[in-house]
Amino acid sequence: GEDVEQSLFLSVREGDSSVINCTYTDSSSTYLYWYKQEPGAGLQLLTYIFSNMDMKQDQRLTVLLNKKDKHLSLRIADTQTGDSAIYFCAEKGGGFKTIFGAGTRLFVKA
Amino acid sequence: EADIYQTPRYLVIGTGKKITLECSQTMGHDKMYWYQQDPGMELHLIHYSYGVNSTEKGDLSSESTVSRIRTEHFPLTLESARPSHTSQYLCASSEARTGGYEQYFGPGTRLTVT
Repeated sequence: GEDVEQSLFLSVREGDSSVINCTYTDSSSTYLYWYKQEPGAGLQLLTYIFSNMDMKQDQRLTVLLNKKDKHLSLRIADTQTGDSAIYFCAEKGGGFKTIFGAGTRLFVKA
Repeated sequence: EADIYQTPRYLVIGTGKKITLECSQTMGHDKMYWYQQDPGMELHLIHYSYGVNSTEKGDLSSESTVSRIRTEHFPLTLESARPSHTSQYLCASSEARTGGYEQYFGPGTRLTVT
């Protein structure tokens, strides 16, 4: 079945770049997403990439997609303490449902 | 900014009580979802709806039920709350857009059953 996997924890120093990785299994995925969840809140869509794209950049965020390896990454440049949160990788599965990974907890040290 | 609301935000209730968690969205989205999430953990889809009068069970079995009588309203009900129901419940909605079915989430209801 459809599955999305990502590492659970990442710790970086303020000002460094963060790279969060994700792998997925559904080769027919058309959209892949990155959501951010801050403590006590719901998820917020950060960015998405269409499956025919290799890269998408949006200010400090860069998304790279390797469709052959079914690998997605999110790079956050100049990571700030306010970026500390849980980041969920997700893919548009069959129909309109979204399949979420378990989330990567990003800790930013000052 | 997404307009999706959940009430209450926090609820502490005793075992055996009936509870309804409210979710409303003002965006006119057809698709709505309920997820269960233990704090800081992965999301589990427990119910979803294609539109009015259409509801389906999600990937995680749940003792809760849902209804969709109006497009904007998707309440979740637990007939008899148990400590195992203690969790955070997130409501979301979506529609077909240029970004596929990107989902808009409410702030969540943190439920504690004592």
